[in-house]
Amino acid sequence: DAGVTQSPTHLIKTRGQQVTLRCSPKSGHDTVSWYQQALGQGPQFIFQYYEEEERQRGNFPDRFSGHQFPNYSSELNVNALLLGDSALYLCASSRDMMGTDTQYFGPGTRLTVL
Amino acid sequence: ILNVEQSPQSLHVQEGDSTNFTCSFPSSNFYALHWYRWETAKSPEALFVMTLNGDEKKKGRISATLNTKEGYSYLYIKGSQPEDSATYLCAPGGSARQLTFGSGTQLTVLP
Repeated sequence: DAGVTQSPTHLIKTRGQQVTLRCSPKSGHDTVSWYQQALGQGPQFIFQYYEEEERQRGNFPDRFSGHQFPNYSSELNVNALLLGDSALYLCASSRDMMGTDTQYFGPGTRLTVL
Repeated sequence: ILNVEQSPQSLHVQEGDSTNFTCSFPSSNFYALHWYRWETAKSPEALFVMTLNGDEKKKGRISATLNTKEGYSYLYIKGSQPEDSATYLCAPGGSARQLTFGSGTQLTVLP
């Protein structure tokens, strides 16, 4: 079992650009959540996808959007990048939406916006 | 949005010492509490998911307790080892089905 995988590992963009991050969930998992972790803080919830729909969203602007594919993999898109978007982006997968099942995290994508 | 507090922010202990840290969260609308260990350059690793008031979980030298009525959880590490050095994160999940992470307790175990 490969676990949760994310790509790319690192990414450097400039302000105003757009970025797409990718996540493949753990085998057997159908729910994918995305988190942003800024330096010195805990991960902050961006949104969660289930059955190819966004089911829950945190306090993030519409510049942050996502998609889930039929094979449960997911993408996080960020438009009009700001310097403050520089962070580690984590993907987590789980088997249910109820919050009691363990969420398994990937290694993250480090995004730097210059 | 839940207000989750973890204390202390960082901690240095000697190898062999036992230690504990706290996670505080609003007791209303509680659903579950997750504990994670996050070592540098690795993925956060799930330790426990706790749901019931009075719950106690144990994994090797690490254990956790939960008090949902007063809104706190303790994580204990018995006989700390250098490999326990990591950031320990708690995340209560309310009925909104999303996890709200605290800022974590950074533990350093000195050999």
